[in-house]
Amino acid sequence: DIQMTQSPSAVSASVGDRVSMTCRASHDITNFLVWFQQKPGEVPKRLISASSTFQSGVPSRFSGSGSGTEFTLTISSLQPEDFATYYCLQHHSSPWTFGQGTKVEIK
Amino acid sequence: EVQLVESGGGVVRPGGSLRLSCTATGFNFEDYGMSWVRQVPGKGLEWVSGILWNGFGTAYADSVKGRFTISRDNAKNSLYLQMNSLRADDTAFYYCARDILGDDSWGQGILVTVSS
Repeated sequence: DIQMTQSPSAVSASVGDRVSMTCRASHDITNFLVWFQQKPGEVPKRLISASSTFQSGVPSRFSGSGSGTEFTLTISSLQPEDFATYYCLQHHSSPWTFGQGTKVEIK
Repeated sequence: EVQLVESGGGVVRPGGSLRLSCTATGFNFEDYGMSWVRQVPGKGLEWVSGILWNGFGTAYADSVKGRFTISRDNAKNSLYLQMNSLRADDTAFYYCARDILGDDSWGQGILVTVSS
């Protein structure tokens, strides 16, 4: 199975900060990667597919990059509604696997 | 409005069985692949199983393979997860989700507790 490792596990940041998080795959997954956002008490929501293609309605401050085994999700200017946990999911090989998540907390 | 409503959760003893159902409304159910994703309260997401639109392709996480079976009835707009030989580490909220790689939509989740 492909293991997905996210780092950091948590990051403290302030409104307006630039925040980046990484997802590393144990094997090459080309660009078969999706990012999800989950706010406390809510269900997950897909943000970005194919490592960099936005879901409709996702603010432009979110961007994704990467291919192969290393991927990055960046929030260019953190907003209050962005405090959440972010998960990556690989769908290159079955079984699909999530990373363990990166929690973005208020500093 | 797209809605996915899970049912069938509850408390079960180790070794027991449960069948989760997910009823879909507001979209053409047979057009979409579906997944079950679970989450231990306060912990991360785990993809459990997925099924193609026509029911002929299925896949499972290693942790549930051989114990869980995913199925669907497009005539009833319903998705199912038959869970056998349940273990304490199967305790989680189980989410029914439509097309998590594309036009995703999620149910609110249902709690399964495996405890003696």
